[in-house]
Amino acid sequence: DIVMTQSPDSLAVSLGERATINCKSSQSLLYSPSNMNYLAWYQQKPGQPPKLLIYRASTRESGVPERFSGSGSGTDFTLTISSLQAEDVAVYYCQQYDGTPPYTFGQGTKVEIK
Amino acid sequence: QVQLQESGPGLVKPSETLSLTCTVSGGAISSSSWSWIRQPPGKGLEWIGYLYYTGVTNYNPSLNSRVTISLDTSKNQFSLKLNSVTAADTAVYFCARRASSFWYFDLWGRGTLVTVSS
Repeated sequence: DIVMTQSPDSLAVSLGERATINCKSSQSLLYSPSNMNYLAWYQQKPGQPPKLLIYRASTRESGVPERFSGSGSGTDFTLTISSLQAEDVAVYYCQQYDGTPPYTFGQGTKVEIK
Repeated sequence: QVQLQESGPGLVKPSETLSLTCTVSGGAISSSSWSWIRQPPGKGLEWIGYLYYTGVTNYNPSLNSRVTISLDTSKNQFSLKLNSVTAADTAVYFCARRASSFWYFDLWGRGTLVTVSS
């Protein structure tokens, strides 16, 4: 199985400041023929299901604010919230969907307001 | 607008079978493919398995021998059965839709908590 490891486990950021979450996979998620990385990011607020933010490592889902961006390739990926808003308080998960199941998630990163 | 709704017993006894249904509304179940994902209280997400609209399935090896996912196109539903449950199977169970041609998930049900306890 591909192991996904996020860092940090939690972070506190002041309103308007940048939040950065890292995700590392135990093997490359880059599919070379298409140059696509099979990595998604989700946001989960308390009592709610996860919400898709980013797929293909850097493509924002429709309706997701521009302050959310994804980057990285291969085994190292980053989710950045450029200017943290109060409504961004949540747990964020990365997920790999490389060809062969099982599809695995990172352990989650909790983002709070400092 | 497509919506997903999980349903089933909230309490299951140890060694018995957990059975849940996901009802797809606002669209045909045959138009996409589907998964079950679970989340133990206060913990992370675990993919359980998928179901193509053709009926083809694939399960997480960690659960493979205990899990069955099936399709009922006449009711626009798909189901999860997990047998021989233990307390470790206590979790919120989500049904989710495969996005596009890849196994990330663009639509989720609200989830249902299943507690395994005698």
